[in-house]
Amino acid sequence: GQNIDQPTEMTATEGAIVQINCTYQTSGFNGLFWYQQHAGEAPTFLSYNVLDGLEEKGRFSSFLSRSKGYSYLLLKELQMKDSASYLCASSDRGGYNKLIFGAGTRLAVHP
Amino acid sequence: DSGVTQTPKHLITATGQRVTLRCSPRSGDLSVYWYQQSLDQGLQFLIQYYNGEERAKGNILERFSAQQFPDLHSELNLSSLELGDSALYFCASSVRTSGGNTGELFFGEGSRLTVL
Repeated sequence: GQNIDQPTEMTATEGAIVQINCTYQTSGFNGLFWYQQHAGEAPTFLSYNVLDGLEEKGRFSSFLSRSKGYSYLLLKELQMKDSASYLCASSDRGGYNKLIFGAGTRLAVHP
Repeated sequence: DSGVTQTPKHLITATGQRVTLRCSPRSGDLSVYWYQQSLDQGLQFLIQYYNGEERAKGNILERFSAQQFPDLHSELNLSSLELGDSALYFCASSVRTSGGNTGELFFGEGSRLTVL
């Protein structure tokens, strides 16, 4: 089976840095994804990690430790438009890359 | 625009009825996935098709069924609808290459189903 845990809600200040953690337990692990989802809209891809380490992409970075079943998404220079839900998802190799999602972390960015 | 098209965008129906949701994947994508997202909930995996064949099944109710057609579009059929079936239903697609791929899913804008 697969289990993915992430905090339900977080708040941060505009211009600050926030780290959203995710722990996972999956069989046939084939990578860890982060998606952003604004309310009522489609999820959009942010990052993908399959090897241990940090992947940086502009203001967003994602880290993976396979041995610990742990990932985090780091958002820098927060903007109001970053207020959204951030979904951690694990890819299942045995399932033709189906993604199992965590419940999501709702981030509120305040001025 | 992800390139994944879902219709209808909104649907209101009554309990006990049956509806069909349609999804056209991105051009060239062979895999189609269906997810259900209830209010303030995460994405629940329902079912996956690859090139017309069912590949993986999640917590999909027996009242729900799906298929992928030769032209690769997919339909999700929901029958004997209950109030609790009200949700956003997302379709996503991905491409599978011989060299492997990241498995990134591209999501449609969803079909919002309201059961009254």
